[in-house]
Amino acid sequence: QKEVEQNSGPLSVPEGAIASLNCTYSDRGSQSFFWYRQYSGKSPELIMFIYSNGDKEDGRFTAQLNKASQYVSLLIRDSQPSDSATYLCAVLSKAAGNKLTFGGGTRVLVKP
Amino acid sequence: KAGVTQTPRYLIKTRGQQVTLSCSPISGHRSVSWYQQTPGQGLQFLFEYFSETQRNKGNFPGRFSGRQFSNSRSEMNVSTLELGDSALYLCASRAWVSGGDTEAFFGQGTRLTVV
Repeated sequence: QKEVEQNSGPLSVPEGAIASLNCTYSDRGSQSFFWYRQYSGKSPELIMFIYSNGDKEDGRFTAQLNKASQYVSLLIRDSQPSDSATYLCAVLSKAAGNKLTFGGGTRVLVKP
Repeated sequence: KAGVTQTPRYLIKTRGQQVTLSCSPISGHRSVSWYQQTPGQGLQFLFEYFSETQRNKGNFPGRFSGRQFSNSRSEMNVSTLELGDSALYLCASRAWVSGGDTEAFFGQGTRLTVV
């Protein structure tokens, strides 16, 4: 089992719709969770981080964390063509020596 | 505040050669991690250095090595290059605050092509 798993996609979403991305992790000791966006040929850039169970909203993005079920999700509301990218989930575990582990990423395509 | 700087941006090497990549973290950041990214394998963790000590290591052969200097700058070395080493190599730095590390910030990467 991979430490951090994501559906590779592509996730095809009509412009204006909500894109829902999921990520599951295996280390119960994980405590910090991050979402990165990576455009083709570019380096990943941080979108959001979440530490506590529940929802965290930032503009059109909402991160959701459920530690009991070991999953974290990202919602993109009012999706725009510029949101077309690969979204990487990253999980930090202090128990693993503050190791930051990335999932394989979900490719999102927003169609006009 | 300057971001994470990686040099060089592009590199072409021949099989069997060795290569050294450099990464300068954000000022004040003590953690530097290296990742290899290929189209089929995603973002693969190589190793992480914190205050000049290797803190974590991924599952890569010993041909891949790294080090960190007292100013937190880091270098990654790959010896006896193979065609399969062609990839985008990303460096990321993190700050250390009470309670642990912060989020990672990435450099622009070094695109290595082995011919």
